[in-house]
Formats: sequence, structure tokens, C-alpha cells
Amino acid sequence: DVKVTQSSRYLVKRTGEKVFLECVQDMDHENMFWYRQDPGLGLRLIYFSYDVKMKEKGDIPEGYSVSREKKERFSLILESASTNQTSMYLCASSLGGGLETGELFFGEGSRLTVL
Amino acid sequence: ILNVEQSPQSLHVQEGDSTNFTCSFPSSNFYALHWYRWETAKSPEALFVMTLNGDEKKKGRISATLNTKEGYSYLYIKGSQPEDSATYLCAFHTGGFKTIFGAGTRLFVKA
Repeated sequence: DVKVTQSSRYLVKRTGEKVFLECVQDMDHENMFWYRQDPGLGLRLIYFSYDVKMKEKGDIPEGYSVSREKKERFSLILESASTNQTSMYLCASSLGGGLETGELFFGEGSRLTVL
Repeated sequence: ILNVEQSPQSLHVQEGDSTNFTCSFPSSNFYALHWYRWETAKSPEALFVMTLNGDEKKKGRISATLNTKEGYSYLYIKGSQPEDSATYLCAFHTGGFKTIFGAGTRLFVKA
């Protein structure tokens, strides 16, 4: 069964803390994405990566960075967490290589609360 | 600005009722339209990937239609069951890496 796994389902952090959200996929997908989901809004793209060590800003990259050192792993980093980063974070992957319809495969989400 | 609108925002139905939701999307730069089902505490899963105008797809009691010229898609659920309770997401894919999501329709099916 193909899978996207996010390391933490629930996190509570304090303002100013550094936060790491980890995501691993076992489908050998080229593309990986980080989204956040807030009530009343569609999923919003934070960052994506189309290859190892490659990263591109999405629609709301401010306050975030990412790392992709290995094909299967994509990490989201909050350098200094703030209360407005309290949200549900979803990692996703897609096939890539021009052979796809854009279908995304998601992890179960990480709910982050920043106090 | 590309926008995807879903309606209604939420829906409460009785078991056995049939229901439908709407997704409106831009009629230009169309590549694919995706429907995802997101159950509580689980990951969103693709229901349908639709690419051609006039497409109709069916999976059990759930079906979807696509009109790319006017920019809408309908999702139908026939004879709703409690296990259909979920958030249904519509996503407009422009090709490349860009997917624009609607805010979702939250369905509650009461036994």
C-alpha cells in the first residue's frame, strides 16, 4: 500500500520555537509539496520540490523553509514559530516526470498549535 | 487570480438521501479537475481525476461530471451512508505544479 507518512500528528509549540515537520513517501515520486489548511479556506501551497535539493516557493512561503536531501523525504521548517502558523499541515507527493495528471497523494496531516 | 468555489460549504442529510455538490473553476488553462474525499483523522484520497469536457466518472454510489467550457463539475452521491461523511475537496490543476483547491464541502450523513 503506497504511503505518505508525516512524522507528527499533533504538536504544541511555543512562540519563537523552531519546528520541524517531516514527511516521507515510499512511491518514488519526483514531486513533493507542503500545504496548510485553515477553516474556510482551500489548501494553500507553502513550498514544493520537484527533485532532490530543489525547492520552489508556493503561494504562502513567508515564515517557512524546506529541505529535500533525499528523494523520499521533504521537511518543512518553521524557524521561529508564531501563533498565526497554528494550522493543519499536509504533505503530498505526485508522480512527476511529465507522466501525470497532477493527482496528489497525501499524508494524514500534522496539526500544529503555537501558543 | 484563479479561484475555485465549492458549494454548499456544509450539508446535513439523512441516510438514504441522494445529494450533490458543485465545484466552479476557471474555464481557461484547464488541465485536470480532481475530487478528493477527506475523512476525519485520515489523509485526503483521490476520488476522481477528470480531464476531458463531458467526462463522467463513477465509483460505486458516487459519480462526477465535468464541463470545462463553463467551468463546473458536479459530484453526486446516491443513497448516502454514514460512511460517506467526509469533506469533499475539488482541485483545479493547471499543469505543472499548480493545483488550486476549493474550501471543500463538509458532508454529514445521519443514520
